[in-house]
Amino acid sequence: AQSVSQHNHHVILSEAASLELGCNYSYGGTVNLFWYVQYPGQHLQLLLKYFSGDPLVKGIKGFEAEFIKSKFSFNLRKPSVQWSDTAEYFCAVNALRMDSSYKLIFGSGTRLLVRP
Amino acid sequence: DTGVSQDPRHKITKRGQNVTFRCDPISEHNRLYWYRQTLGQGPEFLTYFQNEAQLEKSRLLSDRFSAERPKGSFSTLEIQRTEQGDSAMYLCASSLARLAGASTDTQYFGPGTRLTVL
Repeated sequence: AQSVSQHNHHVILSEAASLELGCNYSYGGTVNLFWYVQYPGQHLQLLLKYFSGDPLVKGIKGFEAEFIKSKFSFNLRKPSVQWSDTAEYFCAVNALRMDSSYKLIFGSGTRLLVRP
Repeated sequence: DTGVSQDPRHKITKRGQNVTFRCDPISEHNRLYWYRQTLGQGPEFLTYFQNEAQLEKSRLLSDRFSAERPKGSFSTLEIQRTEQGDSAMYLCASSLARLAGASTDTQYFGPGTRLTVL
């Protein structure tokens, strides 16, 4: 069965620090990849997505992610975090299979706390 | 674009009772998904509709769970004979697939219904 691993469950950074959140998935076929963010008290929002093409994708609020197929990874990065980036971040994968499953498989999330 | 809405936002019930949740997707979105999220975990897929047809169900969806999308618009998720293990956040998402077999749609999530079973 497919799975998604987010190895960092809790991350604490100071403002202006750089961020990298890891995401690895287990599926050897074609995938669509997503990062969602959940700010305190709000619902899941799309941060960025990868379907095909340039493996370096840019999302909202200065976030970017790089798809490295050989490493089954889709790590999220931001060069300089802000206090407002405090949130929970979820990596999700849609494994494109012959049975046309469109479900997303989520990692367990990473809670990011940015100290002012 | 008013977003995905869910009702109620919170539900507290006693073990053994039946509960029903409603999801209104983004207008004209033809795919609708239900997920369940427990504390400290990411959302887990429950079921998926394309228009009114329920095309996929997770093994998590026991026979106490039933979902419908009768007119291809809103959807309901019913849990019969609730158990304490059903306590979770139930999330609905919708997407627009421009072709029947399209795989590049993006799922947009609602605020969820938090269920507490006492």
